Amino acid sequence: GAVVSQHPSRVICKSGTSVKIECRSLDFQATTMFWYRQFPKQSLMLMATSNEGSKATYEQGVEKDKFLINHASLTLSTLTVTSAHPEDSSFYICSAMGGGAGEQYFGPGTRLTVT
Amino acid sequence: AQSVTQLGSHVSVSEGALVLLRCNYSSSVPPYLFWYVQYPNQGLQLLLKYTSAATLVKGINGFEAEFKKSETSFHLTKPSAHMSDAAEYFCAVTSNQAGTALIFGKGTTLSVSS
Repeated sequence: GAVVSQHPSRVICKSGTSVKIECRSLDFQATTMFWYRQFPKQSLMLMATSNEGSKATYEQGVEKDKFLINHASLTLSTLTVTSAHPEDSSFYICSAMGGGAGEQYFGPGTRLTVT
Repeated sequence: AQSVTQLGSHVSVSEGALVLLRCNYSSSVPPYLFWYVQYPNQGLQLLLKYTSAATLVKGINGFEAEFKKSETSFHLTKPSAHMSDAAEYFCAVTSNQAGTALIFGKGTTLSVSS
């Protein structure tokens, strides 16, 4: 149980275009989902916290107009990178948790490359 | 505020040797603590977690960790390293409040030589 999927696993896009990444909880309802970003050889940095049906809370330094997060249902959150630039190239990982505290379940990640 | 410090960005051991990866935390509320492993180009796999029950926590693949409040530590150990243990390891902290994100340490790369 507690499986989280991400789609796509890899995406290459041209500079200036937008790309959408989906995060789904497959066998539980995720009241809260988190989006993390990981640069090569570095740790995961929290980008934003999203609760179903409400606006996402962004971490300091993360541009909310560039990284659009939608959590429209209890099983799906999306991250859209708008007007992508090469510096947005990174590994994006989502996680989801149910109604309690503690453990989060991580997706397998999405490798974004902007050319 | 919460934070995690992983001492040693790179640890090298021989196959069969003891593995010790250090993690110290800072938290103004009772912490929940986690260790994750990440293989190249993959997501995170949970090794073990501490959520205020037993202080000695056993996880998968022979790993265990001990929560020591007096030392604010949650070090990860394994008695005998395998080649397959070579990976990146992350310690993370959160609180017991619902909907709180994980805060990760910078990670420790474990290398295992034969």
